[in-house]
Amino acid sequence: DADVTQTPRNRITKTGKRIMLECSQTKGHDRMYWYRQDPGLGLRLIYYSFDVKDINKGEISDGYSVSRQAQAKFSLSLESAIPNQTALYFCATSDLRDGYEQYFGPGTRLTVT
Amino acid sequence: AQSVTQLDSQVPVFEEAPVELRCNYSSSVSVYLFWYVQYPNQGLQLLLKYLSGSTLVKGINGFEAEFNKSQTSFHLRKPSVHISDTAEYFCAVGITQGGSEKLVFGKGTKLTVNP
Repeated sequence: DADVTQTPRNRITKTGKRIMLECSQTKGHDRMYWYRQDPGLGLRLIYYSFDVKDINKGEISDGYSVSRQAQAKFSLSLESAIPNQTALYFCATSDLRDGYEQYFGPGTRLTVT
Repeated sequence: AQSVTQLDSQVPVFEEAPVELRCNYSSSVSVYLFWYVQYPNQGLQLLLKYLSGSTLVKGINGFEAEFNKSQTSFHLRKPSVHISDTAEYFCAVGITQGGSEKLVFGKGTKLTVNP
C-alpha cells in the first residue's frame, strides 16, 4: 500500500465550482505540503503544514485554501475553480528527522473547463 | 532568494549512451541538494541527495551526482542509460525560510532514451 495517497487521481470540473483534493499518509510524518506542477514550470509550493495547528502559505496560495484535519490528512480546496488552475497537484510529507527530504503522493490531475 | 536552474529542458539520448543532466543552484549558506525523478503518470521519487561529506553521491538505478561548491553545481550522471530511464528529473535545494524547512525545485529536465 502507498504511504501517501491522493484522491481523486483525476478530476474534471467547471469554472466556478468548489473542489477539494484530499491527501492521506501512513508514514506518521508531521509535515505535509501541497504543490502544483505545470509543464515547464516545475513544482511550486501552495501551502504547507508542520503540525495540525500550523498552516503556512507557499509561493502561490491565492485561490486556494487548506485544512489539516488530522496528522495524517491534509486537504486542498479551490473555492471557485478557474481554468488556469488546471494542473497536476501533488501532496508530500516529511519528517523533522529527515530534514528537507520529502515523500510524494501519486498526484491529482485537475482540469477546469 | 535561493534558486535552482536546470540548464536543459529536454535531453534526448540513445540507449546505452552516457547522460549528464545539469543543475546549478544559488545559495549563500549550507547547501542541501536533491535529485528527484518522475516517471510517466507517477509522483516524484528521490534519486539521491547531498547533505554533507563526500561530494560524489550515488543514488538508485545507477545514477550519481557530484557536488561542486566552486561551480555551484550538482549535475546528475549515468554512464549508460536504459529505455526505462525515460522520465522527468528535478533538481531541488533545501532552504530554511522563516524558520521553516522547504524544498525549492528547478523546472525539470525531460530525459528521453531512444532505442
